[in-house]
Amino acid sequence: GAVVSQHPSWVICKSGTSVKIECRSLDFQATTMFWYRQFPKQSLMLMATSNEGSKATYEQGVEKDKFLINHASLTLSTLTVTSAHPEDSSFYICSARVGRDWYYGYTFGSGTRLTVV
Amino acid sequence: KNEVEQSPQNLTAQEGEFITINCSYSVGISALHWLQQHPGGGIVSLFMLSSGKKKHGRLIATINIQEKHSSLHITASHPRDSAVYICAVKPPNTDKLIFGTGTRLQVFP
Repeated sequence: GAVVSQHPSWVICKSGTSVKIECRSLDFQATTMFWYRQFPKQSLMLMATSNEGSKATYEQGVEKDKFLINHASLTLSTLTVTSAHPEDSSFYICSARVGRDWYYGYTFGSGTRLTVV
Repeated sequence: KNEVEQSPQNLTAQEGEFITINCSYSVGISALHWLQQHPGGGIVSLFMLSSGKKKHGRLIATINIQEKHSSLHITASHPRDSAVYICAVKPPNTDKLIFGTGTRLQVFP
């Protein structure tokens, strides 16, 4: 089946530094990638939707300058948390639509646990 | 009120028990998804439904479009089924999913 590989699985960084999270579609072309954030024991919160070759669409309340999303190719989307602060500590997970239409379904990465110290 | 409601929020079972998790939604949908999130955080898509019923191994998912309700059943539950099960719906005219808050299942040997 369609697989999205997400790296790193976990990362600890110092406050003020930037962290890049990668999601690669291994056996399909991901025209649309979704980036979510999840707080402990809460559901997924959509941060932004990225389409290959165009700018990401951010959800209300999500700082686009802080959470930089790049989807330069059909197999790679990245989320960069810039100037990270402890409040950015969270679980981040990507999801790709498998194929060009919704009825192909969605697949999820394994997630990245970010801790900012 | 959330657009997608799941019940129960928490569920404890003995190995071998039949388990049902329910999902009700209040919006029109193109499809409903059942997802499984293990303690490590990774999410696996179990089913995508538009109508009727689907079965995969010990898992069965049903949906009633008229009643806006779906159920996920696990037969002969096993400790490895312990996870958070999430219901998510896809409304028409958007790619975005609306998620329920999840059902935390623990199956004890």
